[in-house]
Amino acid sequence: AQSVTQPDIHITVSEGASLELRCNYSYGATPYLFWYVQSPGQGLQLLLKYFSGDTLVQGIKGFEAEFKRSQSSFNLRKPSVHWSDAAEYFCAVLAAHGGGGADGLTFGKGTHLIIQP
Amino acid sequence: GAGVSQSPSNKVTEKGKDVELRCDPISGHTALYWYRQSLGQGLEFLIYFQGNSAPDKSGLPSDRFSAERTGGSVSTLTIQRTQQEDSAVYLCASSLAKGNYNEQFFGPGTRLTVL
Repeated sequence: AQSVTQPDIHITVSEGASLELRCNYSYGATPYLFWYVQSPGQGLQLLLKYFSGDTLVQGIKGFEAEFKRSQSSFNLRKPSVHWSDAAEYFCAVLAAHGGGGADGLTFGKGTHLIIQP
Repeated sequence: GAGVSQSPSNKVTEKGKDVELRCDPISGHTALYWYRQSLGQGLEFLIYFQGNSAPDKSGLPSDRFSAERTGGSVSTLTIQRTQQEDSAVYLCASSLAKGNYNEQFFGPGTRLTVL
């Protein structure tokens, strides 16, 4: 079965500093990988996704992520964070559930990002 | 255009009662998903619908949970005889179709509290 690990429960970063959120996945086939952000009281919003091709993918709000097959990782990065980036970030892998091939997302536990002024 | 909508936004119920949670997907989206978000378990996939086809129930945590989708659009998640461990935020998502290339758009969720 597939799984996603986000080893950092909380991360604190100063405004303007760079950010990297870690994500490791376990999946037997080619993974389809996603990063979502959830702000307080808001639904999940897709930041970026990787399906194939270029291993460095660009997303919204200045985020990017790099897929590294050898390390089973899909880390999220941003060169300079803004106070509005404070939120919960979820890494997810898309894989078949059960025998029917349903495409439900398997999420990591999330990383809570705190921005210091 | 309008996104995925869910109702109610909050639901408080007593243990043992039944609850119904509603999801309106984005117009034209044929695939619909239910997830549960709780402190202990994080985000879990529950059930999936593709159009009018029978749902994939593989993620449902118990037989107290059921879901239906009428006319290939609106979906209702029903929890019978609610327990305190059912307290969570229930998220609905929709996508254009089944398949790995279709982004899932999430609704704001229904926060369920079982007293």
